[in-house]
Amino acid sequence: DVKVTQSSRYLVKRTGEKVFLECVQDMDHENMFWYRQDPGLGLRLIYFSYDVKMKEKGDIPEGYSVSREKKERFSLILESASTNQTSMYLCASIVPSGGEQFFGPGTRLTVL
Amino acid sequence: AQRVTQPEKLLSVFKGAPVELKCNYSYSGSPELFWYVQYSRQRLQLLLRHISRESIKGFTADLNKGETSFHLKKPFAQEEDSAMYYCALSGRGGGNKLTFGTGTQLKVEL
Repeated sequence: DVKVTQSSRYLVKRTGEKVFLECVQDMDHENMFWYRQDPGLGLRLIYFSYDVKMKEKGDIPEGYSVSREKKERFSLILESASTNQTSMYLCASIVPSGGEQFFGPGTRLTVL
Repeated sequence: AQRVTQPEKLLSVFKGAPVELKCNYSYSGSPELFWYVQYSRQRLQLLLRHISRESIKGFTADLNKGETSFHLKKPFAQEEDSAMYYCALSGRGGGNKLTFGTGTQLKVEL
């Protein structure tokens, strides 16, 4: 079974804090993704990576950065958290040939 | 630009009634279409993809290129079908990026 894990299920941070969200997958997938999920807006792609040290912006990258130092780990960084970044964050991975994206359980981030 | 539209935020049906969740897309090439489902307190998971042409949990979806639609259907709704459903599109050569619709909450009432 593919397993995608995320470091925290719930996180509460203050405005201006630097926030790290970690995602690890154990199936040797090359491609990894970060989405945010908001009611009425669905899932929106923040960043994705198709290899170690490679990254590409998604549809809403502003205010975020990412890091992919190892194949199995993809980190999302909020340099200075703001209240409008309060959301559910989902990580996913997939093999390059396509098919099903496997999702992590999500991290619900609240920025006060 | 690729786009997925799910016009209904909430769909409420009675148990045993037919279900149709609508999905329309906009894409200039030949897309791959998916339906993902999220049950309460569970992670998002794939329900079905158009190239598989399978029926999963009684659900089917046919890609209609003329109408650019990929509606999800089930003849008889079950209580356990209550969930959030997302339609998603992957374009060719896009690194397997998915563009999601805004989702439809299906509620099956007894």
